Amino acid sequence: DAGVIQSPRHEVTEMGQEVTLRCKPISGHDYLFWYRQTMMRGLELLIYFNNNVPIDDSGMPEDRFSAKMPNASFSTLKIQPSEPRDSAVYFCASSFISMNSPLHFGNGTRLTVT
Amino acid sequence: DAKTTQPNSMESNEEEPVHLPCNHSTISGTDYIHWYRQLPSQGPEYVIHGLTSNVNNRMASLAIAEDRKSSTLILHRATLRDAAVYYCILRSSNDYKLSFGAGTTVTVRA
Repeated sequence: DAGVIQSPRHEVTEMGQEVTLRCKPISGHDYLFWYRQTMMRGLELLIYFNNNVPIDDSGMPEDRFSAKMPNASFSTLKIQPSEPRDSAVYFCASSFISMNSPLHFGNGTRLTVT
Repeated sequence: DAKTTQPNSMESNEEEPVHLPCNHSTISGTDYIHWYRQLPSQGPEYVIHGLTSNVNNRMASLAIAEDRKSSTLILHRATLRDAAVYYCILRSSNDYKLSFGAGTTVTVRA
């Protein structure tokens, strides 16, 4: 398996623009997680899905952020409108439903909002 | 979320063992102890996990205190490629999320 695939690897956009980050989880995994990493706040869980259904979105910073999982092989994280403080590395991870199943992370998308 | 406490940083010499401590005094009976590491410019990577008994795998060993209030990740022979941030995380069986703390930055000297 190719692992968790995120695109794009880098995104530079201007304040106010819409940004869409994409994630393809490992085939067969039941859970999908979106994290954000900054120097100041470290790794923060934004939202996670079980079988395409959002379970906990309490980490989503505000209404400008939204995440969807239309099917088992694809998820998006959208920021509209983007702000400079959204600049961070965004990671997607997936896992099986078992507590013994580790999370597999993608290589992340580095977002820069100018 | 139950909290963990780790030292900010540790240094080691190449080919020597590294013992990374983690305190989790508020751990509950349903919490698993997970360790992940993050190499520079990469996403976190699973290392090992356990519930009550000590665990070994090809990457590391996990020693869990009898009262489960602390644990130690052991890298038996550190290499330069082991330089990373190591995270000790409690994962509850009541939900499946992982909440990361600041971790321990491990530096390996050649």
